Amino acid sequence: DAEITQSPRHKITETGRQVTLACHQTWNHNNMFWYRQDLGHGLRLIHYSYGVQDTNKGEVSDGYSVSRSNTEDLPLTLESAASSQTSVYFCASSESSGRYNEQFFGPGTRLTVL
Amino acid sequence: SQKIEQNSEALNIQEGKTATLTCNYTNYSPAYLQWYRQDPGRGPVFLLLIRENEKEKRKERLKVTFDTTLKQSLFHITASQPADSATYLCALDMHSGYALNFGKGTSLLVTP
Repeated sequence: DAEITQSPRHKITETGRQVTLACHQTWNHNNMFWYRQDLGHGLRLIHYSYGVQDTNKGEVSDGYSVSRSNTEDLPLTLESAASSQTSVYFCASSESSGRYNEQFFGPGTRLTVL
Repeated sequence: SQKIEQNSEALNIQEGKTATLTCNYTNYSPAYLQWYRQDPGRGPVFLLLIRENEKEKRKERLKVTFDTTLKQSLFHITASQPADSATYLCALDMHSGYALNFGKGTSLLVTP
């Protein structure tokens, strides 16, 4: 069965370190998204991609970067982790064959920055 | 700026009753609206999509309405069950393709 996976599921890091969160999908979807979810803020879009070599900034992109070298993966990098980036991160993907496509979410990565 | 509002207070209802959740938006003209369910510790799961030219959509015990004049969507769960207890999120398109803007979600608790 097709799926979307995230790793690691839990990560503790220190302020200033570079961190990369992995997202891998086997749906063969062109569209991939990264969100963060915090109490009181809900899901907020960080970056998204509509295909290989395409990346776009979302609402809360400062301090994050992504790259898309193949269809299956969209890693999210925190260049220099800050305590404000402690959050739960969700990756999602969707088809690009129509306009109204649902998003499939991964299980999330809980990141703690000390 | 674009804003999506869902009732921040948890909704507690008795099993068998109809749960109604609200999603209001401002400064927005979405082409469609989606509803997702999220259980604790898990990612959201898609439930229903309704387009701007549709008034109502049904799927089993779920019903969604979309009023573009009131800028509001209502999400109904009929004959609710304890297994329906979860957080429900509404999401609107961002007019930039396929990206979505999510509300903060409403927590539903169905008690036996």
